[in-house]
Amino acid sequence: EVQLVESGGGLVQPGGSLRLSCAVSGFTFSDHYMDWVRQAPGKGLEWVGRSRNKANRYTTEYAASVKGRFTISRDDSKNSLYLQMDSLKTEDTAVYYCVRVIIPGYHYVYWGQGTLVTVSS
Amino acid sequence: DIQMTQSPSSLSASVGDRVTITCRASQDISNCLAWFQQKPGKAPKSLIYAASNLQSGVPSKFSGSGSGTDFTLTISSLQPEDFATYYCQQYKHYPLSFGGGTKVEI
Repeated sequence: EVQLVESGGGLVQPGGSLRLSCAVSGFTFSDHYMDWVRQAPGKGLEWVGRSRNKANRYTTEYAASVKGRFTISRDDSKNSLYLQMDSLKTEDTAVYYCVRVIIPGYHYVYWGQGTLVTVSS
Repeated sequence: DIQMTQSPSSLSASVGDRVTITCRASQDISNCLAWFQQKPGKAPKSLIYAASNLQSGVPSKFSGSGSGTDFTLTISSLQPEDFATYYCQQYKHYPLSFGGGTKVEI
């Protein structure tokens, strides 16, 4: 059974940092691209970024709204995906989901349950 | 960047109704279009990928169509469990982008 479990959310002050984790199981993590998607309270879905797989040298893509502040990384030995969030702004307040990207096709099937990040003073 | 425009933003329907939601991309995305269902407090659920392919386990009352810039999601006979918010997403070009959502209410 495929599982994605996010953790690390919480309350942080503006300008602060937070690191989210996504522990996966039930599939060969190293073969897959992984995305982060977020949802501000009462709002729609926003793509945050992507980590490509080992075969594609773990390269990354980011939304303009987070580029230069957020960093996606992964540890295939721990079946884990990470989102390092620096210089946090109040508008980064959201539930953050990790999502498995299906290859070929590059579409989604499996989502984590999400972790809430609140940026507030 | 590609803008995804969903319509309507909300709709009221009754059990048994046929419901159609549209999604328009600001440029050609071929068939790289997905639909998701989200209920309050829950993670989105993947319904359709590649514009018209049903995810495994998704009932056949859901169907998708379209290519290029115009797409539709149809629910053939609305049931109580279908009342939710639906999102489209393009995954042809970076940055990936979602529509604003359509809330289907009783």
